[in-house]
Amino acid sequence: GQQLNQSPQSMFIQEGEDVSMNCTSSSIFNTWLWYKQEPGEGPVLLIALYKAGELTSNGRLTAQFGITRKDSFLNISASIPSDVGIYFCAGQLIGNQFYFGTGTSLTVIP
Amino acid sequence: EAGVAQSPRYKIIEKRQSVAFWCNPISGHATLYWYQQILGQGPKLLIQFQNNGVVDDSQLPKDRFSAERLKGVDSTLKIQPAKLEDSAVYLCASSLTFWGRQGNQPQHFGDGTRLSIL
Repeated sequence: GQQLNQSPQSMFIQEGEDVSMNCTSSSIFNTWLWYKQEPGEGPVLLIALYKAGELTSNGRLTAQFGITRKDSFLNISASIPSDVGIYFCAGQLIGNQFYFGTGTSLTVIP
Repeated sequence: EAGVAQSPRYKIIEKRQSVAFWCNPISGHATLYWYQQILGQGPKLLIQFQNNGVVDDSQLPKDRFSAERLKGVDSTLKIQPAKLEDSAVYLCASSLTFWGRQGNQPQHFGDGTRLSIL
């Protein structure tokens, strides 16, 4: 199956700092999604992207659909302790399954 | 709206035993997915239903895993017999449809069933 690589694998940041993470694929996608997963829970959808170059915000979160359609980026501004969790990207070609990335683990130090 | 419901939340069995998981999707969602998430990894699709028909089961180990969605609403996933490597969280997700006017429809996940094989 498709392999989506996320980086960094883990991040330890101070509260108030901005966070950037990305996801790359060897294949092009028509849709990129970003999810957050906390321990013992299922992934929760944060942002959905449908067009190359699209930039979408959800509160302090901003995600971009890469121009090459092989990558996507997620930024979190002014991090707070409740941002802790694992962030997954997922990519899909129309009519095909979603493929998930390897995840970025975020720890926010108060 | 109510989210995706899954049960049980936890299950511990011995290898070679059988186990079944249940999922009730968000009301009105035609597409239902079962994922396997091994510790430290992202979810991996096992099977996808559109109403009561299978759209994709290419990654389902069919010698031991089976799934059904007989009435196009609830779904069950079964493992028989279980192996040690089946220890994972089994996530159910649903979406309005396979794809719509905006393109692919995002999936909404349940909290999963954590399966431990002894």
